[in-house]
Amino acid sequence: NAGVTQTPKFQVLKTGQSMTLQCAQDMNHEYMSWYRQDPGMGLRLIHYSVGAGITDQGEVPNGYNVSRSTTEDFPLRLLSAAPSQTSVYFCASSQGWTGEQFFGPGTRLTVL
Amino acid sequence: AQKITQTQPGMFVQEKEAVTLDCTYDTSDPSYGLFWYKQPSSGEMIFLIYQGSYDQQNATEGRYSLNFQKARKSANLVISASQLGDSAMYFCAMREGLNDYKLSFGAGTTVTVRA
Repeated sequence: NAGVTQTPKFQVLKTGQSMTLQCAQDMNHEYMSWYRQDPGMGLRLIHYSVGAGITDQGEVPNGYNVSRSTTEDFPLRLLSAAPSQTSVYFCASSQGWTGEQFFGPGTRLTVL
Repeated sequence: AQKITQTQPGMFVQEKEAVTLDCTYDTSDPSYGLFWYKQPSSGEMIFLIYQGSYDQQNATEGRYSLNFQKARKSANLVISASQLGDSAMYFCAMREGLNDYKLSFGAGTTVTVRA
């Protein structure tokens, strides 16, 4: 049982480049989400999904796209990277409303 | 408006002593859940404890307990018998409303345990 996995662990992009951060979970959780963590600001929700085929925006969705074609996978796409998107990105999943969210190890992204 | 407020950016505690981390929240929904997570320097997010808005008793998990004061909208984390491994960032988070899985996080509190 791998839990929540994220790839890559580190990434450096140039302004304007696009890329996809991968997230997968093997716990059959319905709910998955993406957060970004910036110094002094805690975690902020980017996008989330309550099941395959269903996604919605969180607090800071601009510049990011998501899709959920399977229960297991929830990739995050940066369309045209900007320096303001330099951050640590966490993927998380949970099952029930009272259940904890399980977090992946994070992806540290730097946009030059 | 901030849904979760953690007013202590950093705290020092002596090994084996207890420490209380403050968390206040803002919601008008009667159904909500409160979570605490630990983030050590290695970066992973570790779930510590959960308190539901309808729970009658304060949650406890080993050395972690949650001092839940509903009328004051506070959910303070108490770590007893601090250990050097407790040095980390601690985040308070909240879910609001039934069937809404989104978490709102506070800015976090850094705890440093001194030997």
